[in-house]
Formats: sequence, C-alpha cells, structure tokens
Amino acid sequence: AQSVTQLDSHVSVSEGTPVLLRCNYSSSYSPSLFWYVQHPNKGLQLLLKYTSAATLVKGINGFEAEFKKSETSFHLTKPSAHMSDAAEYFCVVSDRDGGSQGNLIFGKGTKLSVKP
Amino acid sequence: GAGVSQSPRYKVTKRGQDVALRCDPISGHVSLYWYRQALGQGPEFLTYFNYEAQQDKSGLPNDRFSAERPEGSISTLTIQRTEQRDSAMYRCASSRGGSTGELFFGEGSRLTVL
Repeated sequence: AQSVTQLDSHVSVSEGTPVLLRCNYSSSYSPSLFWYVQHPNKGLQLLLKYTSAATLVKGINGFEAEFKKSETSFHLTKPSAHMSDAAEYFCVVSDRDGGSQGNLIFGKGTKLSVKP
Repeated sequence: GAGVSQSPRYKVTKRGQDVALRCDPISGHVSLYWYRQALGQGPEFLTYFNYEAQQDKSGLPNDRFSAERPEGSISTLTIQRTEQRDSAMYRCASSRGGSTGELFFGEGSRLTVL
C-alpha cells in the first residue's frame, strides 16, 4: 500500500534563506510523486511532479525536489524563501502501475511560515 | 470555465439533513475527482469519474455518500442524513485524463453539520 509521511507539520524560515520540506514515501510500485501547494482560501495547485524521468524535478516558483529511491524520499527545496511562499505544502504519491489513477495519497501537510 | 468551480463555498446544516455539493470542472476535462479534507489533514480520496462513468468509489465512507456525473461534466456529491463527523472541506478536482495527469482543484465546499 502507498503512504506518504511529511516529517514536519510546521517549518519556519526567514526570507532569503533556504527552504527544506521533507517527505518520505512508501509504495509497492514505481511511484509517481507530486508536491501541491495550498494558499489560504485557494484551491490546491501543482508545484511539481516526478514520473520516473529525471530524478531532480524543477517546479514553479523556484521550487525543486529530488527523488531518492534508496532513501524513499522526495524532499522539496528552494534556495531562497520569499514571503509569498508562505502556504501549506502537501507531498502526494500515486500508484502508477495499478489501482485507480485518481487515488492520490496526500500527506498531512507542512505549513511553511516565512519571517521578514 | 477558467477553473474548477464548486458550490456552495460554505454550507451549514443540521444533523439529519441531506446536502448536495456541486462541482463544475474545467471545460473538456475527462476526469473528475472528489476529495475530503478534515482540519489539519491532507485531502482524502472519495471517488472519481471518467466522463460519466464512476471508476472508483472505494473512498466513499459509507452508503450515505453518493456521487454522480450524469452528462460527463458537472458532478454532484450527495450526503444523506448528515452527521457531525461529516463536517469537512470537500474538494473537487478535474484533469485531462490519462495516468498521473495534473489535477486542478477547486476552492472547496466547507460543510459544517451542527
């Protein structure tokens, strides 16, 4: 069965410093992995996705994530935080090789705060 | 439309009443999904459709919950005889279809059952 663990429920950084949001996954198959962002009172938006091409995935707004199979991790990073990055971030796994294409498994989310 | 539209945005109802939540997906999107998000949790899969066909309803918690998409476009999620534990944000998403396609989410319908 697939599962996702986001190791931090809340991360606080200063503007201009690096961001690291951690995610570990468990999957019986070759997983597809995603990061979604949710700003207050907005719908969830796709930041980036990994589907077995390059292990380093670049997304929108300067975010990137690296798929590390040996560590079963898919951590989200950004070199320099901006105030507008304050939001909740969800790591998501999908079973590509079977099951429902719609059955995305979401982590519990990490709230990112950015201090001026 | 330009994005996924959900209505109502907020619904307060009394225990035992039925509610219907509506989702209008992005025009032309083949697949439509319903998720439920409790406070402090990530979204949890409920069900999804390809066109008008319900492909998977394994996430629906019990038989009080049902969903339909009769013409392959707008979908309705219905909760009968609501209970307080049904209170949550209900999120709809649509996609072009195919495996691992990007999901586009609406802003959600927040249901409160008193």
